Amino acid sequence: EVKLVESGGGSFQPGASLRLSCVGSGFSFSDHWMHWVRQAPGKGLVWVSRIRSDGSDVSYAESMMGRLTLSRDNAKNTVYLQIKSLRVEDTAVYYCARGDGSGIYQRPDYWGQGTLVTVSS
Amino acid sequence: QSALTQPASVSGSPGQSITISCTGTNSDVGGYNLVSWYQQHPDKAPKLILYEATKRPSGVSARFSGSKSGNAASLTVSGLQAEDEADYYCCSYAGTSTWIFGGGTKLTVL
Repeated sequence: EVKLVESGGGSFQPGASLRLSCVGSGFSFSDHWMHWVRQAPGKGLVWVSRIRSDGSDVSYAESMMGRLTLSRDNAKNTVYLQIKSLRVEDTAVYYCARGDGSGIYQRPDYWGQGTLVTVSS
Repeated sequence: QSALTQPASVSGSPGQSITISCTGTNSDVGGYNLVSWYQQHPDKAPKLILYEATKRPSGVSARFSGSKSGNAASLTVSGLQAEDEADYYCCSYAGTSTWIFGGGTKLTVL
């Protein structure tokens, strides 16, 4: 069974930094690209970032570029999303999702349950 | 980059069929055959129900079907059931290794 478990969410002040983690199991983690998607309370899904299976290529949503760092440790089946200079509008549930498909076109397929990040003063 | 355009809500009675549209541009929906659809029940994670516009993952009901023409894609749910009541999102590859979602559509089963 494919399983993704996110952690690292919580309450943060504006300007702070955080690191979210996502541990995958039930599949060959090192074969799959991984995505992060966020969802503000009561709002829709927004794609955030994705990383190649070997970690050599990362892309980010233009709206968040410069504040994000996505990395992975395939030995630990874990992907990490760092967000710096947090803003109130970063408040959202952050989901990690496995990529599936061909090469750079790996769409999100299985999703974790998400971790809630709340940014407030 | 603006979200793909979906209707905010659709509704139908049990047994009926509904269609949800997803409109993009030739830089995303129209440029690639890489539209996916996701179903999300309240407080749950999204679930993939269609990929590459028309393909169903294993285990997804055949009541879900999709199509794409030009810059628009659509999801049809036939034989509506109470359990289909959820939010539905389209998603497309948008070039330069990025992806874009639609704004979401709330499906109400009357």
